[in-house]
Amino acid sequence: DTGVSQDPRHKITKRGQNVTFRCDPISEHNRLYWYRQTLGQGPEFLTYFQNEAQLEKSRLLSDRFSAERPKGSFSTLEIQRTEQGDSAMYLCASRPGTSGGNLAKNIQYFGAGTRLSVL
Amino acid sequence: KNEVEQSPQNLTAQEGEFITINCSYSVGISALHWLQQHPGGGIVSLFMLSSGKKKHGRLIATINIQEKHSSLHITASHPRDSAVYICAVSIPGGGADGLTFGKGTHLIIQP
Repeated sequence: DTGVSQDPRHKITKRGQNVTFRCDPISEHNRLYWYRQTLGQGPEFLTYFQNEAQLEKSRLLSDRFSAERPKGSFSTLEIQRTEQGDSAMYLCASRPGTSGGNLAKNIQYFGAGTRLSVL
Repeated sequence: KNEVEQSPQNLTAQEGEFITINCSYSVGISALHWLQQHPGGGIVSLFMLSSGKKKHGRLIATINIQEKHSSLHITASHPRDSAVYICAVSIPGGGADGLTFGKGTHLIIQP
């Protein structure tokens, strides 16, 4: 399977605990995105990486959230001191780094997501 | 702020019906995406378009840049088409490189 993979698929945790999610993008995709989706809503942008550099962070990404992509391949998203409001689906997507005018390279490929439930 | 509005929010139809889902956005975009999300979360890209019309099997997507509007059509709908269909836009030079999404249209096709 050469698609975007996310681990774990489901995570149940108690309020106040730390959680970490992993995303493995499609190989050779330079750009990696994290989104959050709450029930009944569309996904919301959290942050993205170009290789190992984190280029943008949404205001949704509070200081309890941190994302890394240390070698420009897989990425992790950590939430510290989880709150019930953090319960959501966390989606990862990847795409080639530059389109070079080829719009097809703007297509993001999504993983199946990690569903977080904070009790 | 670019808002992406979809209609209807929910749609139930009988197998075989022609389905139309609409998407409107408020600012200039570089591309518009139609995505499909099945229960369980995984999202699949159906179309990306910046002008005109695209067709893939029973799915057709159109966009009118001047009116800032796009439609997704499903012909000869089938129960396996039941899913959430999400419209998303890419904004040129926008603050966020990521997509801005609509809330989705929950489609149920009954046999």
